[in-house]
Amino acid sequence: QKEVEQDPGPLSVPEGAIVSLNCTYSNSAFQYFMWYRQYSRKGPELLMYTYSSGNKEDGRFTAQVDKSSKYISLFIRDSQPSDSATYLCAMSETGGGNKLTFGTGTQLKVEL
Amino acid sequence: KAGVTQTPRYLIKTRGQQVTLSCSPISGHRSVSWYQQTPGQGLQFLFEYFSETQRNKGNFPGRFSGRQFSNSRSEMNVSTLELGDSALYLCASSSGTGSGSPLHFGNGTRLTVT
Repeated sequence: QKEVEQDPGPLSVPEGAIVSLNCTYSNSAFQYFMWYRQYSRKGPELLMYTYSSGNKEDGRFTAQVDKSSKYISLFIRDSQPSDSATYLCAMSETGGGNKLTFGTGTQLKVEL
Repeated sequence: KAGVTQTPRYLIKTRGQQVTLSCSPISGHRSVSWYQQTPGQGLQFLFEYFSETQRNKGNFPGRFSGRQFSNSRSEMNVSTLELGDSALYLCASSSGTGSGSPLHFGNGTRLTVT
């Protein structure tokens, strides 16, 4: 079993919808949680970065971390066709340097 | 500010050959990490360098190696290439090496082994 599980999708939603993306993990040592967006033929781009449990909001994006359930979420409000991409969750341990453990990514398509 | 630059963008090699990939981090960033991305395994950590020293290493065979230069530029080398080494190799840089330091990725080098 992988340390980080993520539904690969594909997930298809209409423009304007609220999108919910999720990851579960098994390593209780993970303290830092990130969401990356990756467009085709591009490298991952950091969207959100949170430490420990709680919520963080940035524009149309909200990240939630529930360490008690080992569950993290990314919500996208008012989704746009330009949000169509693969979304990757990533996590790291305190003292783990820049070693991130990634989920396999969820492919999202926002349709007009 | 220029982003992370990886060269070359595409490479085709034959089994048994070796390959060297290059990464120039964002100006001022001293940490460089390398990841392998494949459809089956996703993104997997290879190694991390900070101030020319390897700080961390993933679970890859010794055929995968890297180094960092005094100007923070980094190279990774794969020797005795196997078909399974075909992947997108991503380099990421950050200003620090503390956990959670945001990583900024380049667009990768696509390696195909035939």
